[in-house]
Amino acid sequence: DAGVIQSPRHEVTEMGQEVTLRCKPISGHDYLFWYRQTMMRGLELLIYFNNNVPIDDSGMPEDRFSAKMPNASFSTLKIQPSEPRDSAVYFCASRTGGRSYGYTFGSGTRLTVV
Amino acid sequence: GDSVTQMEGPVTLSEEAFLTINCTYTATGYPSLFWYVQYPGEGLQLLLKATKADDKGSNKGFEATYRKETTSFHLEKGSVQVSDSAVYFCALEHNTDKLIFGTGTRLQVFP
Repeated sequence: DAGVIQSPRHEVTEMGQEVTLRCKPISGHDYLFWYRQTMMRGLELLIYFNNNVPIDDSGMPEDRFSAKMPNASFSTLKIQPSEPRDSAVYFCASRTGGRSYGYTFGSGTRLTVV
Repeated sequence: GDSVTQMEGPVTLSEEAFLTINCTYTATGYPSLFWYVQYPGEGLQLLLKATKADDKGSNKGFEATYRKETTSFHLEKGSVQVSDSAVYFCALEHNTDKLIFGTGTRLQVFP
């Protein structure tokens, strides 16, 4: 299995532009999570899906952030408009089975908003 | 609410030294406990886990024992290598589908 695949690996954009981050979970995994990692705030859960349905989006910072999972093999996290404070590493993770299985993380997208 | 507390880093050791990274948790009942490792420029990888009291998780020479009486899950390794240099995260999952992470502890191992 190729693992959780995220794209792009790096993204540099100007303030105000729309940014779309992509994630392909491991086949058969029915949970998908989006995290953000910064030095100041550590790892923050933004949103997670179960069977393509958003379950908890309480971590989404504000209306500029949106996430979709149109099918079991693809999810997007969109920021519109982007701001410099959105600069961070964004991770996608997926999981199957019971809660004790743990997550498999992707390699992340490093976003820089200038 | 549920939470995880890790020791502050960085932890700096010489190669072959003994490693302990402390982790304590707050939760009612019996959460599942995990250690994840993050190498530079990469995502988090599951290192080991334990799902009930007194369980010992182990992998790649690392060990951690689920201690209900002290609500702890300390990570240990008998002899660290330079390649173990990374950030280590303790986490728990309890009654939800969400992992709760500690703040991470950076380990630096020098030859």
